[in-house]
Amino acid sequence: SQTIHQWPATLVQPVGSPLSLECTVEGTSNPNLYWYRQAAGRGLQLLFYSVGIGQISSEVPQNLSASRPQDRQFILSSKKLLLSDSGFYLCASVTAGLNYGYTFGSGTRLTVV
Amino acid sequence: QKEVEQDPGPLSVPEGAIVSLNCTYSNSAFQYFMWYRQYSRKGPELLMYTYSSGNKEDGRFTAQVDKSSKYISLFIRDSQPSDSATYLCAMKGAGSYQLTFGKGTKLSVIP
Repeated sequence: SQTIHQWPATLVQPVGSPLSLECTVEGTSNPNLYWYRQAAGRGLQLLFYSVGIGQISSEVPQNLSASRPQDRQFILSSKKLLLSDSGFYLCASVTAGLNYGYTFGSGTRLTVV
Repeated sequence: QKEVEQDPGPLSVPEGAIVSLNCTYSNSAFQYFMWYRQYSRKGPELLMYTYSSGNKEDGRFTAQVDKSSKYISLFIRDSQPSDSATYLCAMKGAGSYQLTFGKGTKLSVIP
């Protein structure tokens, strides 16, 4: 079974500072990887997904970016954080060929102050 | 109309009650249906998975799918305080890996 490692668990950053959140996956190869943001009352918002190394699809325009430098590594970044970037960020993985839905990481709670 | 509609609650029930959580959807291409449970400040975890109309049971949990009505339900029998969480429905079409989620229903089971 897959395990997703996400860190840090909690982060408080000032407006205008950079951001780097990392997600690594164990127990599978060539997964599809996803970054979601969850805000209270707004559900899960898909930010980025990747079907392979170096392949990134963006779902919403924003000041965030994503990269996939290795098969099981997915990074979410920002050069300058905004207050509106606060939220709970989740990494998810699904193995191609299986229909069992996503495995989620434990999330990072980001507060921009 | 949103693709997936889920009543956000909150829903508060006494311990031992039967809980019914529901989602409706509009996209007839959805063929696979899931329920996730999310505890506060944690990532969602897969609770139930089904792809056919009818019922699927796992312990105290029953997932029900009615494709003709585009309606899915999750029933929790003998609810426990440890069931207090947000429940998200999710679904996808055949040949797709991308899930479409409901907004989640927050459930509190009171001892």
